[in-house]
Parts: sequence; C-alpha cells; structure tokens
Amino acid sequence: RKEVEQDPGPFNVPEGATVAFNCTYSNSASQSFFWYRQDCRKEPKLLMSVYSSGNEDGRFTAQLNRASQYISLLIRDSKLSDSATYLCVVNIGSNDMRFGAGTRLTVKP
Amino acid sequence: DAGITQSPRHKVTETGTPVTLRCHQTENHRYMYWYRQDPGHGLRLIHYSYGVKDTDKGEVSDGYSVSRSKTEDFLLTLESATSSQTSVYFCAISGADYNSPLHFGNGTRLTVT
Repeated sequence: RKEVEQDPGPFNVPEGATVAFNCTYSNSASQSFFWYRQDCRKEPKLLMSVYSSGNEDGRFTAQLNRASQYISLLIRDSKLSDSATYLCVVNIGSNDMRFGAGTRLTVKP
Repeated sequence: DAGITQSPRHKVTETGTPVTLRCHQTENHRYMYWYRQDPGHGLRLIHYSYGVKDTDKGEVSDGYSVSRSKTEDFLLTLESATSSQTSVYFCAISGADYNSPLHFGNGTRLTVT
C-alpha cells in the first residue's frame, strides 16, 4: 500500500463549480500536511498547509481528519486558471515528505 | 519565489555515462532535497541533506549519490546513467525545521538513451 494515495481523476468541472479532492495516508504518526499545485511541465508550488483545525485561503479550504487519516481540499467557484494537478504531501517523519501521485483537474468554460 | 536554480534544465546522455545535476539556493536554508517525478509515481525522494556534509538516503536512492560541500549547493550524481533514470528531477529546499513546506526549483529533464 502506498504511503499517500489520491484519486488520479481526471476531474472535469464547469466554471463556478465546487470540487473536492481527498487524499489518504497510511502513517498515523504523520506530522504535517500540505497541498501543492503543479501545472504541466512545471515545478510543484505550495498551495496551502493543512492544519488540524482546518484552514481556508480564499476559495480554497483544507481539512485534516486524523481519525480516518485523510486530508481534503475544497475549491469553490472554480476558475479556468484552477486547471492543474493537485498533489497532497504528507511528512511521515523526520525529513521524509511523501507525495501522492496527484489529482488532475480541468475546469471548462 | 524561492531562490532555487537547477542546472542544466535539459540533458540528453548515453547509458553508462556519469551525470551531475546541480541545485543552487540563495535562501540559506538548511534542508535540501532531490526528487524524481515519473508518470504514475508522483514525486519520490532520492536523497536529502540537513546541513553541509550531512546527507541521507531517500526512497529511491540506488544508483544516485549526492554531495553538499556548501550550504547553497546540493549536487546529484548518477555514476553510470541507465535508461530507468530518465526522468524529471526536482530540487527542493525547506527552512526552519523538517515540518516546513518544500519549495522547488524549475526541474531538470534528463533523458538517458
């Protein structure tokens, strides 16, 4: 079983839609969690950290469920520019950051 | 954007040749990492460094070595390149502690023929 798993998608949604991604992790001792965005042939860029109490940044909301060992990302009012691959990242201990394989999102007009 | 520069950006090399990729940072961050990204696998950690001359292996370290003689430079060497090492290589840095998020360089596309 992979340390971090994501639904690869693709998710195809119309502009203005709300879309949610989940990511499960296997190591219950994981310390920190992040969502990254990666555009085609570019480097991953930090979208947001995920805090235990949940956190929001504009149209983006991230949540952590330690009991069920998953994190989620909610995007409201999707824009064309949100089209990208979204990577979840889990620090499973020390310097070991594990990445999910990514969920591809396409927002259509 | 974090000051991270990878070189070269693209490289084509033949099987059996040595290859060195360079990562240079201007942020004075302690932690530096090398990842590779392949379709269906996401990013996988090759090696990381937690200070000058302090390095350790990651998930997929076989066939790779690293060196960090200065805070700002982290080198990844393929001693004898193989076709399975064709990939996109990303360098990353992080700051205060190992729970800090990673910031990535632009990547190096390596093709081993």
